[in-house]
Amino acid sequence: EVQLLESGGGLVQPGGSLRLSCAASGFTFSSYAMSWVRQAPGKGLEWVSAISGSGSSTYYADSVKGRFTISRDNSKNTLYLQMNSLRAEDTAVHYCAKADAVGATYPVCDWGQGTTVTVSS
Amino acid sequence: AIRITQSPSSLSASTGDRVTITCRASQGISSYLAWYQQKPGKAPKLLIYAASTLQSGAPSRFSGSGSGTDFTLTISCLQSEDFATYYCQQYYSYPTFGQGTKLEIK
Repeated sequence: EVQLLESGGGLVQPGGSLRLSCAASGFTFSSYAMSWVRQAPGKGLEWVSAISGSGSSTYYADSVKGRFTISRDNSKNTLYLQMNSLRAEDTAVHYCAKADAVGATYPVCDWGQGTTVTVSS
Repeated sequence: AIRITQSPSSLSASTGDRVTITCRASQGISSYLAWYQQKPGKAPKLLIYAASTLQSGAPSRFSGSGSGTDFTLTISCLQSEDFATYYCQQYYSYPTFGQGTKLEIK
């Protein structure tokens, strides 16, 4: 059974930083691209970033480019999202998600339970 | 970025009804479209990908159609567990989601 467990969310001041983690199990982690998708309170879904299985290719939404960095440690079956220069509009539940198929980045088919990031002074 | 316009934003229906939700892309996306279902407080669930392919485990009453710019999700016979919010997502380029359709009980 695929399991994705996010952690690292919390309350941070504008301009601050957080690092989210997503511990994966139940599948060959290095074979699958992974993504981060977020959802602001009461709002819709927003794709944030994705990374290939090897980690050699990364992709970012314009809204986070230059501020967020996605990475993975395949030896630890863990996905990361380093979030810098945080803004109020980054407040959201952040989900990690696994690609549906080997070799594809999208769509995603398995999701974690989400971790909440709140940016406020 | 490719914009996705999803309609309606909300929909009231009864158990047993047939309902349709549409998404229109701002440019052609071939069949690179997925549909997700989300219930309150839960992560989304993939229902359909490649515009019309039913995800393993998704009920057969869900179907998708379309290509290019216009797409449709149809639920053929609403069940109580289908009342939720539905999102389409294009993945022809960097992914973007529709605004969502909240399906409520009439």
